[in-house]
Amino acid sequence: GQSLEQPSEVTAVEGAIVQINCTYQTSGFYGLSWYQQHDGGAPTFLSYNGLDGLEETGRFSSFLSRSDSYGYLLLQELQMKDSASYFCAVSGPNQGGKLIFGQGTELSVKP
Amino acid sequence: EAQVTQNPRYLITVTGKKLTVTCSQNMNHEYMSWYRQDPGLGLRQIYYSMNVEVTDKGDVPEGYKVSRKEKRNFPLILESPSPNQTSLYFCASSPLRQPSPYEQYFGPGTRLTVT
Repeated sequence: GQSLEQPSEVTAVEGAIVQINCTYQTSGFYGLSWYQQHDGGAPTFLSYNGLDGLEETGRFSSFLSRSDSYGYLLLQELQMKDSASYFCAVSGPNQGGKLIFGQGTELSVKP
Repeated sequence: EAQVTQNPRYLITVTGKKLTVTCSQNMNHEYMSWYRQDPGLGLRQIYYSMNVEVTDKGDVPEGYKVSRKEKRNFPLILESPSPNQTSLYFCASSPLRQPSPYEQYFGPGTRLTVT
């Protein structure tokens, strides 16, 4: 089977840096995606790591270590609008066309 | 504007009354999918379709049906809704980049209540 673990809640202050971790157990693995969702709205795609290492997109970066079955999303220069839920998701050859999501991390950014 | 649309956005219905939630995308994506989201459970995949006339079960397909007769449309059918299908439903599409549909575009959601 497959499972993903991420913290349920994280709190940080405006301007700070926060890291949201995701560990996964899957039989077969292609890569790790990250999505952002504001308060019941549509999830939006943030990033994808198919290879080990860091991917940077503006204030957001995502990291993957395949050997450790671990990844993280790094948010820098936090803004109030970053308050949202963040989901990691995995795909792999044994999942067919499925994308398996974690339960999400609710990030609260305080002034 | 490139988008995924769902209708209706809100629906309150009674147990056993068949309903259909429509989903349409204008991005010419091969892949489409349905998810349900419940508090504390994240997004769980109901069904997905890799292309026209090809559909597969996700993790929670019981009580749902889908069809993919056209590339742009992927309706979700609840033949006999029950209260445990009360949830927030999302449709998504993807350009099916290799090796997997890791980049998905989501519709605005349909909040369904079954009494």
